[in-house]
Amino acid sequence: EPEVTQTPSHQVTQMGQEVILRCVPISNHLYFYWYRQILGQKVEFLVSFYNNEISEKSEIFDDQFSVERPDGSNFTLKIRSTKLEDSAMYFCASREMGAYNEQFFGPGTRLTVL
Amino acid sequence: EDKVVQSPLSLVVHEGDTVTLNCSYEVTNFRSLLWYKQEKKAPTFLFMLTSSGIEKKSGRLSSILDKKELFSILNITATQTGDSAVYLCAVGVTGTASKLTFGTGTRLQVTL
Repeated sequence: EPEVTQTPSHQVTQMGQEVILRCVPISNHLYFYWYRQILGQKVEFLVSFYNNEISEKSEIFDDQFSVERPDGSNFTLKIRSTKLEDSAMYFCASREMGAYNEQFFGPGTRLTVL
Repeated sequence: EDKVVQSPLSLVVHEGDTVTLNCSYEVTNFRSLLWYKQEKKAPTFLFMLTSSGIEKKSGRLSSILDKKELFSILNITATQTGDSAVYLCAVGVTGTASKLTFGTGTRLQVTL
C-alpha cells in the first residue's frame, strides 16, 4: 500500500541553525501539507501546497518557515533559524484530487532544538 | 476561530468493553469530519464523514455524524488491547487547501 515517507525520523539541532525536513508524498497525490504536534498538544496545521504554490498557511508559519517541491517527488519544510519552541513532531500529509479531506500522514520527524 | 473538542480526554476500559468517543465542533464552512488513530507516531486514517455519508462502519468500529447538533461519535465494540491509542477527531473545511483542524484527542487504554 502506498504511504507517505519522511526523513529523518529524528533531528537534533542547535538553536539558530537551519533544518530541512523531507517528505515523499504518495505518488498520485496533488495536495501536500505540513502539520506539527508539540509534545502533549494537539496536531496543528502549518501550511498547504498545491500546484507548486502555497494554498494556505497558519499564523505559526511565519517568515522563518518555507516549503518547496524541488522535484517530482520530494516536498520539504525548511526552518531558517530554529528556536527552542520549534521542538515538535512534524507531520507531512498528502491527498489526491477530489478526495475531499482524506489526508494521509507520514510517520513524522521529531525535531529537537537545543 | 474553528474549534474541535473531544471527550473524554482519556479512558481506561477492559478488553471486551464497548466505548464511545465524542467529538463536537464549531467551524466555518464545514466539509467533512475525520477520525484518525494515533498509536506511536503518524495518525492513521479511520473514517471520513460528510453530508452525503453520515454513518460509517468498519468491523468493530463505527461512527456517525450529526450535522445539526455539530458532533460525531466513534464507537468501538468488543475492544482489544490493540485498540489502545489516541483517537483524533479532525474537521475539514471547504476550499482548495482543505486544512484539517484537530481536537486534542482521546487517549484510550484497553487492559486485560
